[in-house]
Amino acid sequence: EPEVTQTPSHQVTQMGQEVILRCVPISNHLYFYWYRQILGQKVEFLVSFYNNEISEKSEIFDDQFSVERPDGSNFTLKIRSTKLEDSAMYFCASSKTIRLANQPQHFGDGTRLSIL
Amino acid sequence: DAKTTQPPSMDCAEGRAANLPCNHSTISGNEYVYWYRQIHSQGPQYIIHGLKNNETNEMASLIITEDRKSSTLILPHATLRDTAVYYCIVRANSGGGADGLTFGKGTHLIIQP
Repeated sequence: EPEVTQTPSHQVTQMGQEVILRCVPISNHLYFYWYRQILGQKVEFLVSFYNNEISEKSEIFDDQFSVERPDGSNFTLKIRSTKLEDSAMYFCASSKTIRLANQPQHFGDGTRLSIL
Repeated sequence: DAKTTQPPSMDCAEGRAANLPCNHSTISGNEYVYWYRQIHSQGPQYIIHGLKNNETNEMASLIITEDRKSSTLILPHATLRDTAVYYCIVRANSGGGADGLTFGKGTHLIIQP
């Protein structure tokens, strides 16, 4: 069964450094998403992406964050200058689109980001 | 904030049916009910979704009340691997599919041997 893959599984970065988290969505999916989950807290939506532009973003997704689909298979989340509070699990998800019905989002297993 | 209410935890004996309730009393006519689960240290896993009819797939059944204000996820024969946090989420049929999901705290289901 096709799945969303994320790399690396664990990323350790010094505060203030830039970090890029990578995702390969399911191949025939057209919508892509990033979520985060701080340890012990809820899963929070960050951003959705379609047709090479952001569709929706939350208040968490400020100017320090950016997303990109650099080629036909990868979808990346960049944090420009990391802060301690960016430490979390980051999940990528993707979904198909069918105009007449909702389609479920399928998640990867996440990247654990640790900011030192 | 999440538009659903779930019990924080439940126990179920292995081999028995696990019935997980969810209240969504403010659900709108165009909102679907989605269920996901999160096994420790993994990403959320899609289980099932529905609008107003009951639904069944290889993982579970979803029973939605006639007034759509509540639903129940049924795992027919629970195994130890079903121990996870289960999330009930309502989501509008935007037609485009780009809406982010709003996760609550979910129900921590513990399957007892």
